[in-house]
Amino acid sequence: DAKTTQPPSMDCAEGRAANLPCNHSTISGNEYVYWYRQIHSQGPQYIIHGLKNNETNEMASLIITEDRKSSTLILPHATLRDTAVYYCIVRVAANAGNMLTFGGGTRLMVKP
Amino acid sequence: EPEVTQTPSHQVTQMGQEVILRCVPISNHLYFYWYRQILGQKVEFLVSFYNNEISEKSEIFDDQFSVERPDGSNFTLKIRSTKLEDSAMYFCASSGTGGDGYTFGSGTRLTVV
Repeated sequence: DAKTTQPPSMDCAEGRAANLPCNHSTISGNEYVYWYRQIHSQGPQYIIHGLKNNETNEMASLIITEDRKSSTLILPHATLRDTAVYYCIVRVAANAGNMLTFGGGTRLMVKP
Repeated sequence: EPEVTQTPSHQVTQMGQEVILRCVPISNHLYFYWYRQILGQKVEFLVSFYNNEISEKSEIFDDQFSVERPDGSNFTLKIRSTKLEDSAMYFCASSGTGGDGYTFGSGTRLTVV
């Protein structure tokens, strides 16, 4: 699976949009971008994934650049409960049993 | 919303003892996983399980580890002879087909003393 690079930490004001970047310059054509988050020591939580089109669900939006070498996770109105470590992971989705390789992620601190 | 359930939430065991960590995956999921996270470190893959056999395992998953789906609902991780370095949070996860995201359980904190 392709490697990803994320900033180690970011701050965001409560109520504002949080934009979390991820670089995955070696991504292959059949690899998807997945985002998970981990709140304190809880189990990771799936947020969203995409291949090349932008995606939106009730939690977040995922913007993938046209060359697919980077992406941005957007939390439109961050709350204190969104404080967590956010992981960007690239994997081949067609093989649902493929493992996830977690990096260090971005520690997002939402401040009042 | 369906959940992955793990028991116990915290287990303390003596070095050299066997432990079994239990998980109930989401009922219609077909793929099952164990991950672990040593305090302050990254989440690490241990093993994936599909169709009653291991489909992939990491270097961490050595002969001391085994997994089993003893019935239609439970998925277990056994550590045969625990070491101090096995102390970690162990997360079970499951997924359906089609590449959707995993659902993780809330974890079992294993402390080996």
